[in-house]
Amino acid sequence: EADIYQTPRYLVIGTGKKITLECSQTMGHDKMYWYQQDPGMELHLIHYSYGVNSTEKGDLSSESTVSRIRTEHFPLTLESARPSHTSQYLCASSQPGGPYEQYFGPGTRLTVT
Amino acid sequence: RKEVEQDPGPFNVPEGATVAFNCTYSNSASQSFFWYRQDCRKEPKLLMSVYSSGNEDGRFTAQLNRASQYISLLIRDSKLSDSATYLCVVTYGNEKLTFGTGTRLTIIP
Repeated sequence: EADIYQTPRYLVIGTGKKITLECSQTMGHDKMYWYQQDPGMELHLIHYSYGVNSTEKGDLSSESTVSRIRTEHFPLTLESARPSHTSQYLCASSQPGGPYEQYFGPGTRLTVT
Repeated sequence: RKEVEQDPGPFNVPEGATVAFNCTYSNSASQSFFWYRQDCRKEPKLLMSVYSSGNEDGRFTAQLNRASQYISLLIRDSKLSDSATYLCVVTYGNEKLTFGTGTRLTIIP
């Protein structure tokens, strides 16, 4: 089993609230990723990081932001949640070099009412 | 046109049968190829990498055809536990993965 964790697993929140989705890994991986996946649809990369203080936007435009202050931690923040943000958010990590296998966390299922 | 295209299925296959999926990719410069498996409401997990010479892992065989820009996955002697969505994944050297929509497979007892 991969040592990558996400909290909360489920979140139901009202419009306009600020939320932070947590992602941590204990594998020492430099690379971390955030994906968004709607039911029955493909994963879309929204953010990635190749190490501390490195963050990049992914292929899908997102109103969220990320930070990478510590290797093991890669939180995603939405300043003002909207119903259009309702989706599943998956965090992943991989070791340097590669491309190597990406290990995924269990995901956060977000519902914005 | 999507960068990675898969037949979404669903494929409903009797237990013990052989089933094959194809996946096409649009960028001829693609370098690495994978099949991931995603169970319902779970995270994706690597099933196998796909090498130019083709590779086999037990009941699973993956093939790559660069000329026609497609990869395939063959499952022999299918088991009930093979029921899942199979994701075709392609990279273009920058180590970002591009996922297909996935092919949903259900094995019927």
